[in-house]
Amino acid sequence: ETGVTQSPTHLIKTRGQQVTLRCSSQSGHNTVSWYQQALGQGPQFIFQYYREEENGRGNFPPRFSGLQFPNYSSELNVNALELDDSALYLCASSFSGVAYGYTFGSGTRLTVV
Amino acid sequence: KNEVEQSPQNLTAQEGEFITINCSYSVGISALHWLQQHPGGGIVSLFMLSSGKKKHGRLIATINIQEKHSSLHITASHPRDSAVYICAVSGGTDKLIFGTGTRLQVFP
Repeated sequence: ETGVTQSPTHLIKTRGQQVTLRCSSQSGHNTVSWYQQALGQGPQFIFQYYREEENGRGNFPPRFSGLQFPNYSSELNVNALELDDSALYLCASSFSGVAYGYTFGSGTRLTVV
Repeated sequence: KNEVEQSPQNLTAQEGEFITINCSYSVGISALHWLQQHPGGGIVSLFMLSSGKKKHGRLIATINIQEKHSSLHITASHPRDSAVYICAVSGGTDKLIFGTGTRLQVFP
């Protein structure tokens, strides 16, 4: 049974650029959630995908978008990067939501300069 | 006021000490999660609770639904327990609401 894998682990981008982060969910999980964790803060919910459909969204602008694929892996896309987007981006997979717990990835640390 | 509050924010202990980290929440929940985050950033799920008490090795988690309060205890603490411990709750939707974490350092 594999865990949640995120790529890349680290990334440096320039303000205004676009970035795509990837997450492969744990085997058997059909739900993927993305979180943004700024330095010294708790993670904040960006959005969740269930069976390839967005299933809830936090307080993030539309330039944060996502996809989930038939194999339940997922992408997080951020357009027009801003300095404040610098954070650790965490992906968590689960089976049909909260009842069965979450498995987290190690995160992608994005730095916007 | 945050929906999930943890205390203390920082905790220093000597090896062998008994550790308690507290979590209070203000929203209705279906479950409460205790998570561990190491400096590299990855998060490990320690417990998911909806009532009562759970124990895993030297870790014990309790929850009081009426008081909207949970505690994480570490018995016989060890330097390898040094990490950030995060409380998170899940409510009517599937998203997790996180506390800001408690940074624990255990010295030999």
